[in-house]
Amino acid sequence: GAVVSQHPSRVICKSGTSVKIECRSLDFQATTMFWYRQFPKQSLMLMATSNEGSKATYEQGVEKDKFLINHASLTLSTLTVTSAHPEDSSFYICSASSTWRGGSLSTDTQYFGPGTRLTVL
Amino acid sequence: KNQVEQSPQSLIILEGKNCTLQCNYTVSPFSNLRWYKQDTGRGPVSLTIMTFSENTKSNGRYTATLDADTKQSSLHITASQLSDSASYICVVSAGRTTDSWGKFQFGAGTQVVVTP
Repeated sequence: GAVVSQHPSRVICKSGTSVKIECRSLDFQATTMFWYRQFPKQSLMLMATSNEGSKATYEQGVEKDKFLINHASLTLSTLTVTSAHPEDSSFYICSASSTWRGGSLSTDTQYFGPGTRLTVL
Repeated sequence: KNQVEQSPQSLIILEGKNCTLQCNYTVSPFSNLRWYKQDTGRGPVSLTIMTFSENTKSNGRYTATLDADTKQSSLHITASQLSDSASYICVVSAGRTTDSWGKFQFGAGTQVVVTP
């Protein structure tokens, strides 16, 4: 159990366009979802934390108007990179956690998606 | 200062050899500690999770230890394989009585390269 999917896995777009990345928890309800960015050979950098039905909490230095996060349901969160530029090219990873303990699911644990590779030309 | 420190930053080992990765943390109170394996271009995959009362946990050739008193954890890889080449990340979750409950503190990771 505890599978998290991301779509698309890879996207190439032109500078100035917007890109939406979806993150879904497939077999559990995710009360909290996290969005990370990772540059080559670097560690994960937390961008924002979102709880279902409320506004996302952004980390310092992350522009909330540029990286729009919507967490409309317990199984779906989306990250929209608006007016993308080449410097936004990165590997974006989401993760989900749940306050429900059942089966093989652990609370206070993040389950990661496979990531989305964004390339802005 | 990062509350989770991993060492070494990187290491190269010969196929078939063993290696040990270290994770020291200052997160308090402590909830759990997870080791993740992240292949290049993929999302992290959980290897082990340990709570306060657990000292060791194994997952195949991966064995994690935890000393909650000294706030140290290690991940031991036995008989390494080429597929073990990856980044190994230590993540500590804070306990409920702290303002940081629900926060996950990430180590920077140890990059392991297994050579033939």
